[in-house]
Amino acid sequence: GNSVTQMEGPVTLSEEAFLTINCTYTATGYPSLFWYVQYPGEGLQLLLKATKADDKGSNKGFEATYRKETTSFHLEKGSVQVSDSAVYFCAGHGSSNTGKLIFGQGTTLQVKP
Amino acid sequence: SQTIHQWPATLVQPVGSPLSLECTVEGTSNPNLYWYRQAAGRGLQLLFYSVGIGQISSEVPQNLSASRPQDRQFILSSKKLLLSDSGFYLCAWSVKNQPQHFGDGTRLSIL
Repeated sequence: GNSVTQMEGPVTLSEEAFLTINCTYTATGYPSLFWYVQYPGEGLQLLLKATKADDKGSNKGFEATYRKETTSFHLEKGSVQVSDSAVYFCAGHGSSNTGKLIFGQGTTLQVKP
Repeated sequence: SQTIHQWPATLVQPVGSPLSLECTVEGTSNPNLYWYRQAAGRGLQLLFYSVGIGQISSEVPQNLSASRPQDRQFILSSKKLLLSDSGFYLCAWSVKNQPQHFGDGTRLSIL
């Protein structure tokens, strides 16, 4: 079945550092891929998405490119802020009929001033 | 625009008591609906999903049940809570191949 694997955390960075959170997927076909962010005590918010190979999703300075050849969807940001501290989840569609998502285990990011 | 509401935001219940968590969606029709649980510091576990009224699929065997009495209403229930039912419960909705959208969650503590 489909699966999503993302790098383990926690990731600790200084403000303005470059961020990469790795995510790879295993799937039949090319499912839509997503990054969600969860701030402390809150639900998940959709951060960005890509629906086909070579798509680049972007939002709030974050980017991720759907790379078919490496089956990856790594999240990047050029200059992180303290307010980016959160848990980040990579996810992919497991079934188009039900809309079920396969989630990675989440990566905690802590940005220090 | 579409919105999703979950309540209550926080709940403290004794072991053995019943549970009812409610989730409603506005601004869309016939959404797919989902209940997740997130243990402290852990990832998401899909508990139930529904593709239509009265249609419930369970992902893991457990002490909980779900119902969908109306198109945009999804209820998570238990007859007798266990300590292991503690966690953060999230409801979500989606349509067709679009992303899921999450509610603000209910933090459930069992004493």
